[in-house]
Amino acid sequence: QQPVQSPQAVILREGEDAVINCSSSKALYSVHWYRQKHGEAPVFLMILLKGGEQKGHDKISASFNEKKQQSSLYLTASQLSYSGTYFCGTEIGDSGGGADGLTFGKGTHLIIQP
Amino acid sequence: NAGVMQNPRHLVRRRGQEARLRCSPVKGHSHVYWYRQLPEEGLKFMVYLQKENIIDESGMPKERFSAEFPKEGPSILRIQQVVRGDSAAYFCASSPGLGQPQHFGDGTRLSIL
Repeated sequence: QQPVQSPQAVILREGEDAVINCSSSKALYSVHWYRQKHGEAPVFLMILLKGGEQKGHDKISASFNEKKQQSSLYLTASQLSYSGTYFCGTEIGDSGGGADGLTFGKGTHLIIQP
Repeated sequence: NAGVMQNPRHLVRRRGQEARLRCSPVKGHSHVYWYRQLPEEGLKFMVYLQKENIIDESGMPKERFSAEFPKEGPSILRIQQVVRGDSAAYFCASSPGLGQPQHFGDGTRLSIL
């Protein structure tokens, strides 16, 4: 079951904040976040494991609410380099910890304007 | 510190030909994943392999598609008798183990004439 991402697209001015959500109808073992620029490979941002946690580095952080089966990615004081498409990838809870590939959402397009 | 290496970057085939896509994982990574991406779409899981074993091929079409990850050499995704609908970007990812981050290669863009 493909996770649902929202919003589909967002346009920000440099320095503004953004939140991207990812929700699943199935119990999740982990959520992976990636950013992909046009014509390039997806770049790993962070992974959150079940047990409910929050992670972050620099001005990008994420939370994982296991009970709600959703994760949110927080981008604060956005920079031009943050532009791209953000994907969440999920591993479902009964896979025993990643025995399968990731199921990705359709992505959220983020455009940062100067 | 080489990342995941995929080749070729671009591949053009005529309908009915065979396409072979190669992927060398990050050194030390034993888990390889293949994904397919259509324009403006997310990545769709195809197959997950470890050395000499296919662990999960639930995302791969039953016909014409096959994958392998031999003891020596790169992982190969093979598409026989290609059709126009096979045109897509095919990404390979590798990870050191279960529940670990997957690192992606630059992809092979397959175009079918």
